[in-house]
Amino acid sequence: NAGVTQTPKFRILKIGQSMTLQCTQDMNHNYMYWYRQDPGMGLKLIYYSVGAGITDKGEVPNGYNVSRSTTEDFPLRLELAAPSQTSVYFCASSKTRRSFMDEQYFGPGTRLTVT
Amino acid sequence: DAKTTQPTSMDCAEGRAANLPCNHSTISGNEYVYWYRQIHSQGPQYIIHGLKNNETNEMASLIITEDRKSSTLILPHATLRDTAVYYCIVGKTSYDKVIFGPGTSLSVIP
Repeated sequence: NAGVTQTPKFRILKIGQSMTLQCTQDMNHNYMYWYRQDPGMGLKLIYYSVGAGITDKGEVPNGYNVSRSTTEDFPLRLELAAPSQTSVYFCASSKTRRSFMDEQYFGPGTRLTVT
Repeated sequence: DAKTTQPTSMDCAEGRAANLPCNHSTISGNEYVYWYRQIHSQGPQYIIHGLKNNETNEMASLIITEDRKSSTLILPHATLRDTAVYYCIVGKTSYDKVIFGPGTSLSVIP
């Protein structure tokens, strides 16, 4: 199993540009998550999904959109990129949901710079 | 929200046990305690979790006090590869502003 994969690893965007961060998991997990991590800080939840076709907002959803058309894929869309979106983005998935933080598996991250 | 408090940083000699404390005095009865770690520039890694009883797996042990107001993560024989930021998280049964705070930066020293 590859686990959780994310592409691209690095990206530089100009202000106002748009892009999609890709996330794929091959563990047949129903639950998937997008986090952002600013330098020296902990993680903040952007969006999450409890299954194909179902998504919901986390703590910091503004400026982002997600979709979940398949169990495997959970892309994150940035529209009209702003410097405040410069961050490292992590995708994660989990199989069980005894609790929200139950055994999440994280991808390697995408480092995004908006200038 | 149940919040957690962890020391900002700790050092541990290689080969010794690393004991990382976490206070969660407002924890609710149905909230699990989770530990994750993040090695520099990598995605976070799940370590262990528990509700009431002490837990052990191949990576670590988790000791939860009887009143559940605090816990300790134990890495029994720390290696240089255990140098990372360790996060103690009190898990909600559903999403409610999950707190993934600054954690404890553990440095394992040769």
